[in-house]
Amino acid sequence: DAMVIQNPRYQVTQFGKPVTLSCSQTLNHNVMYWYQQKSSQAPKLLFHYYDKDFNNEADTPDNFQSRRPNTSFCFLDIRSPGLGDAAMYLCATSRQGGGYGYTFGSGTRLTVV
Amino acid sequence: GENVEQHPSTLSVQEGDSAVIKCTYSDSASNYFPWYKQELGKRPQLIIDIRSNVGEKKDQRIAVTLNKTAKHFSLHITETQPEDSAVYFCAVRATGNQFYFGTGTSLTVIP
Repeated sequence: DAMVIQNPRYQVTQFGKPVTLSCSQTLNHNVMYWYQQKSSQAPKLLFHYYDKDFNNEADTPDNFQSRRPNTSFCFLDIRSPGLGDAAMYLCATSRQGGGYGYTFGSGTRLTVV
Repeated sequence: GENVEQHPSTLSVQEGDSAVIKCTYSDSASNYFPWYKQELGKRPQLIIDIRSNVGEKKDQRIAVTLNKTAKHFSLHITETQPEDSAVYFCAVRATGNQFYFGTGTSLTVIP
């Protein structure tokens, strides 16, 4: 089935140790997004790729980076995770133009110890 | 970015009653408005959406209305059931490719 896959589902990392979360899609959507969702809060957009064009939200900390080596894959790199970065990270894709909804991945729950 | 406000933050209804959740947005150029249902520990799931050229859309017990002039849109759930209990998020597609979410409404349907 076409879908958005996030790995791993659960990730534990040490304070300050770089960590990478991955997202892949088989939908051939040209837009990919990374959201951070903390408990009982709305998903917060970190950045998105429109094809290869990277678009950062103004309030996304520099600690968060992203890579999109091809249409199918997108990575979220957290250079020096802090305790406040513990959250669910959701990847989503959409097809540009005309107003289309997202397809979300299952998310990666990040714990920082 | 787009400023999306959602009300109420919590809502409890008796089974069989209706539930209404409202969102307002700031960018008059926004043109697409989906609603998502998120159960505990799961990903948000699209339940209904509406585009800016339409005033109302219905899918069985769920409907969405849009007032572009006032810049607000609402989710209506009729004949609520316990399985409707979840957190509901509205979202707005801004003039770029970004979607911005409302703050969420925790709906509880009491059997």
